[in-house]
Amino acid sequence: NAGVTQTPKFRILKIGQSMTLQCTQDMNHNYMYWYRQDPGMGLKLIYYSVGAGITDKGEVPNGYNVSRSTTEDFPLRLELAAPSQTSVYFCASSPRKGALETQYFGPGTRLLVL
Amino acid sequence: QKEVEQDPGPLSVPEGAIVSLNCTYSNSAFQYFMWYRQYSRKGPELLMYTYSSGNKEDGRFTAQVDKSSKYISLFIRDSQPSDSATYLCAMNSGGYQKVTFGTGTKLQVIP
Repeated sequence: NAGVTQTPKFRILKIGQSMTLQCTQDMNHNYMYWYRQDPGMGLKLIYYSVGAGITDKGEVPNGYNVSRSTTEDFPLRLELAAPSQTSVYFCASSPRKGALETQYFGPGTRLLVL
Repeated sequence: QKEVEQDPGPLSVPEGAIVSLNCTYSNSAFQYFMWYRQYSRKGPELLMYTYSSGNKEDGRFTAQVDKSSKYISLFIRDSQPSDSATYLCAMNSGGYQKVTFGTGTKLQVIP
């Protein structure tokens, strides 16, 4: 049982390049999330999904896209990388049993845009 | 005003000390209160949660919620070097609303 896995661990992008951050969970959780974490700013929700085929925007969705074709996978796409997207990206999943939200986080992807 | 305020620290204490970590919030609809621990270069992991007001204890950790003051605390007794991490408070109003995280307090326990 690996939990939530993310790839890559670290990536350097040039301005204007694109990339996909991969996220996979093996806990059969319906809810999945993408956050970015900047120093002193806490976790900001980018996109979330309540199940396969259903996604919705969070607080800071501009410059990102997501898809959810399976329960397990929730990739995050950056189309035109900008320096403002330099951050640590965390994927999380949740069983969402009742109203209590217990989120399980992946190890993160560090992205540097130059 | 941020919905959730948390002192960023860093907080440095000697081993064995009692640590108090705190958050204040402005949204009176919040009912579920959580504490996450995040080691350096790792993802956050859930430490404890409480519902509404009151205390909850788990080993050396005690979570406390005062809804009248919109103030939550996490106490760590007999702190250990392995407790050195960033602690994030988080809360939501239930009903499938999103979770709001604090910015985190960095704790260092010195042997």
